[in-house]
Amino acid sequence: AQSVTQLGSHVSVSEGALVLLRCNYSSSVPPYLFWYVQYPNQGLQLLLKYTSAATLVKGINDFEAEFKKSETSFHLTKPSAHMSDAAEYICAVREGNQGGKLIFGQGTELSVKP
Amino acid sequence: NAGVTQTPKFRVLKTGQSMTLLCAQDMNHEYMYWYRQDPGMGLRLIHYSVGEGTTAKGEVPDGYNVSRLKKQNFLLGLESAAPSQTSVYFCASSGRTGHTEAFFGQGTRLTVV
Repeated sequence: AQSVTQLGSHVSVSEGALVLLRCNYSSSVPPYLFWYVQYPNQGLQLLLKYTSAATLVKGINDFEAEFKKSETSFHLTKPSAHMSDAAEYICAVREGNQGGKLIFGQGTELSVKP
Repeated sequence: NAGVTQTPKFRVLKTGQSMTLLCAQDMNHEYMYWYRQDPGMGLRLIHYSVGEGTTAKGEVPDGYNVSRLKKQNFLLGLESAAPSQTSVYFCASSGRTGHTEAFFGQGTRLTVV
């Protein structure tokens, strides 16, 4: 069964510092992986997705993620944090070529200190 | 382009009351989902549908029922609301193929007192 684990429910960084949010997945077949962002009292917006075309995926707002099959990971990074990046970040996995359930991780709340 | 629309946005229910949450999508998506989001628990799948007339249970289906009579609509029903169902509910839809992302509604904040 597919699953997603996000290490760290809260991450705090200083403005301008590197952002690293961790996501590990479990899947019996090649997965499709997604990162979503959720701002307070809003729905989820797609940041980026891995669809097997390239292992390094670039998304909106300078975020990127790298798919590492050997580590079953899909960590999200951003070189320099902005105050506006403060939000909940949620990793998700979808299994198989025919689609299927979208399963989410617990989410990581990112705080950015001035 | 409306995307995914949920109604209502807020609701307060008394224990034992019933209600239906409506989700509508205009992207001709095959898959539709209902999730609940609780602090510290993340998004948990309640029920989902892979096409018109079909539904399936997710992780936390107890106390909820769903129907997908039309492709564009996915209804979530609470027959007898309980305080444990106080949550934020999100509807989402996606295409059939695995690489297509899900699009989310803005959520329904439900309080059961």
